[in-house]
Amino acid sequence: GQSLEQPSEVTAVEGAIVQINCTYQTSGFYGLSWYQQHDGGAPTFLSYNALDGLEETGRFSSFLSRSDSYGYLLLQELQMKDSASYFCASGGSQGNLIFGKGTKLSVKP
Amino acid sequence: DGGITQSPKYLFRKEGQNVTLSCEQNLNHDAMYWYRQDPGQGLRLIYYSQIVNDFQKGDIAEGYSVSREKKESFPLTVTSAQKNPTAFYLCASRDLAGGWDEQFFGPGTRLTVL
Repeated sequence: GQSLEQPSEVTAVEGAIVQINCTYQTSGFYGLSWYQQHDGGAPTFLSYNALDGLEETGRFSSFLSRSDSYGYLLLQELQMKDSASYFCASGGSQGNLIFGKGTKLSVKP
Repeated sequence: DGGITQSPKYLFRKEGQNVTLSCEQNLNHDAMYWYRQDPGQGLRLIYYSQIVNDFQKGDIAEGYSVSREKKESFPLTVTSAQKNPTAFYLCASRDLAGGWDEQFFGPGTRLTVL
């Protein structure tokens, strides 16, 4: 089977840096993706790592270590609008995506 | 503009009724997915389809049915056999040739059973 574990909640202040971790167990590995979802909205794609290392997209970065079955999403210069749930996801063997349960990020002034 | 549409946005159903949720995409994507999301929970896969006239059960397919008669459309029927159907339903699509990175999601349908 496949499963992804991530913290349920994280709180940080505006302007700070926050890291959301994700550990996974998969029968086959097809990369690690990150999605953002605001309350009541649809998930939107943030980043994808197929290989080890850091991928940077503006204020957001994502890291993957396949040997450790571990990845993280790094959010810098936090803004109030970053308050949302963040999901890590990994590809399944049949073209589907398996999602973690999500991390609710609260950004305080 | 290309994208995924879902309708209706809100749906109320009486117990014992079947309801069908619409999902349409004009992204020319081969793969389409249905997920269920409960409050404070992640997304759980109901059904998915990688090609017209073919679909596969996901982790929680019991009480649901789908069809894929056209590439653009992947409707989901919530049947009376689904014991706890109140949830937020999300449809998504993906370009299979594009690799494993991005799924595009529709705005969702919030189903409430009265």
